[in-house]
Amino acid sequence: AQKVTQAQTEISVVEKEDVTLDCVYETRDTTYYLFWYKQPPSGELVFLIRRNSFDEQNEISGRYSWNFQKSTSSFNFTITASQVVDSAVYFCALIFSGAGSYQLTFGKGTKLSVIP
Amino acid sequence: AAGVIQSPRHLIKEKRETATLKCYPIPRHDTVYWYQQGPGQDPQFLISFYEKMQSDKGSIPDRFSAQQFSDYHSELNMSSLELGDSALYFCASSSGRSPTDTQYFGPGTRLTVL
Repeated sequence: AQKVTQAQTEISVVEKEDVTLDCVYETRDTTYYLFWYKQPPSGELVFLIRRNSFDEQNEISGRYSWNFQKSTSSFNFTITASQVVDSAVYFCALIFSGAGSYQLTFGKGTKLSVIP
Repeated sequence: AAGVIQSPRHLIKEKRETATLKCYPIPRHDTVYWYQQGPGQDPQFLISFYEKMQSDKGSIPDRFSAQQFSDYHSELNMSSLELGDSALYFCASSSGRSPTDTQYFGPGTRLTVL
């Protein structure tokens, strides 16, 4: 089965705390692509990052960092020193390239609330 | 930088009416995807087009149809609307039909069916 699981439905943190959003995926494909999107209260979906299955290098972009581990099929997202503007729903998503279909399959999302 | 444009942003319809949603991709993007996001749900893929041809089909009801025009804009036509069609409809575009071509999303059209 091809599936993305975000076990954390909602998380609340106090501003300046670090927070990690978990993402676990299932796929039979050896080649796949992982994504994180942010959906702020205004509703739009904002692309944050893409990772290929053959590139396990972790990535840091400002206060954001991503940890990709194929051994545990996880692609976790950490926000350091969280800010109120980080409050949003965060979706982890996957493209399975085996069937030649390039649709995004999303997890259920994690709603992050950063309290001032 | 130019983004994906969707119109209208909000739409209210009655049951059994029809609706047309429009999507204008980022300039020079040739691939369009449509997703439906129900309240509190994750986005679900409906259909996609590459170079004006349908390239993939997801869980799109038979009452819905879509096409991509010569200028690459796309329209999603929805007929015999049902209460369950109330959702946020996203269009995304990419510069090619490959997983490495990032899908950039528009602001969405919020459809309410009364």
